[in-house]
Amino acid sequence: QVQLQESGPGLMKPSGTLSLICAVSGDSIISSHYYSWVRQTPGKGLEWIGEIYHRGNTNYNVSLKSRVTMSVDKTKNQVSLQLSYVTAADTAIYYCVRNGRFYFDTWGQGNLVIVSS
Amino acid sequence: QSVLTQPASVSGSPGQSLTISCTGTSNDVGRYNYVSWYQQHPDKAPTLVIFDVSQRPSGVSDRFSGSKSDTTASLTISGLQAEDEADYYCTSYTTSYTGSSTYVFGTGTKVTVL
Repeated sequence: QVQLQESGPGLMKPSGTLSLICAVSGDSIISSHYYSWVRQTPGKGLEWIGEIYHRGNTNYNVSLKSRVTMSVDKTKNQVSLQLSYVTAADTAIYYCVRNGRFYFDTWGQGNLVIVSS
Repeated sequence: QSVLTQPASVSGSPGQSLTISCTGTSNDVGRYNYVSWYQQHPDKAPTLVIFDVSQRPSGVSDRFSGSKSDTTASLTISGLQAEDEADYYCTSYTTSYTGSSTYVFGTGTKVTVL
């Protein structure tokens, strides 16, 4: 049974770069799955940030593309997310998610990130 | 980025059926049969209950069913139970104006079991 565990800062200052790691267990990162990041805010609900395949293929939400970078570490079976120039609007719970073909079949527990000075 | 429109809340009594709508456009719900639904209990992560419009993952109760007509998808919960009280979100695969893959989420619906 695949499990996803996010880790990262709980609090950060505006203009910084958010970095989150998702540790994958129970499945190899080089299987035939994409991995996505999804965030949830009280005001905007759920928002897809982007996805990555173990070969490095990525697709990003066009509204965030200029600030997002995703990567894969095959040796650690991890995926990571970086979001630059964060503002209060980036305050959210960030979920690591394993994709099915065109859906999200497994979610991590989420990592709350608060952006505040 | 556009979002899919859902009713803010719906309610029903135990044993009844209720349906949640998810309205998109001809570019997302209307174009692709890749609508999925997620259940989220308070302070928990979402879980998948329907994919590809009407397919149920293994382990999900057959009281959950999905359908689609034109640009509106629907989730029906039959034989409503107290444990069904949760937030429900739809999502659709689509492509952005650049042609790349993307996903849009619904606004979310709070289901209350009376």
